[in-house]
Amino acid sequence: NAGVTQTPKFRVLKTGQSMTLLCAQDMNHEYMYWYRQDPGMGLRLIHYSVGEGTTAKGEVPDGYNVSRLKKQNFLLGLESAAPSQTSVYFCASTQLDTGELFFGEGSRLTVL
Amino acid sequence: GQNIDQPTEMTATEGAIVQINCTYQTSGFNGLFWYQQHAGEAPTFLSYNVLDGLEEKGRFSSFLSRSKGYSYLLLKELQMKDSASYLCAVMDSNYQLIWGAGTKLIIKP
Repeated sequence: NAGVTQTPKFRVLKTGQSMTLLCAQDMNHEYMYWYRQDPGMGLRLIHYSVGEGTTAKGEVPDGYNVSRLKKQNFLLGLESAAPSQTSVYFCASTQLDTGELFFGEGSRLTVL
Repeated sequence: GQNIDQPTEMTATEGAIVQINCTYQTSGFNGLFWYQQHAGEAPTFLSYNVLDGLEEKGRFSSFLSRSKGYSYLLLKELQMKDSASYLCAVMDSNYQLIWGAGTKLIIKP
């Protein structure tokens, strides 16, 4: 049982480049989330989805876009990467809006 | 604004007991979560409290007082593998999780 899988695990980008992070879950969860984690700060919600075909903005959505075309996948896109987007990105999913979150292993992104 | 406070770092001795506190101010309350995160890894779920009182799960217990906006995570019989960051998160009235910055727990032999 793979749970939540993120790809890629590591990526280095130059300022202005674009990229997509893929999150896949095999637990048939309705809710999926993208967080970023920076030193000394709590996890911050970027975007989330409450079901296939839906997306919503979180706390820090600027500079990111998302899509949930299939229930099991949640994509996070950076249109024009900036050094401020250097971070560790975590995808998470849950079946209930009050349920425990299952996290992916994280994707470490560096923007030069 | 919404705020979660927890100590940045704590040190304890192997075999001892440690209590990690979390205080919160949020718009509404729909439960409080504790997660464990080892360095370089993903957070993993430890506990969920929505009613006042103590929830015990093996060596770990979590306490909640909604009137005081306060929770603690109690770790007993500490082991070296308990060295990790412990994240407190509160679900607000919109069912959004507000996360604390985490408490780094260092266990010494």
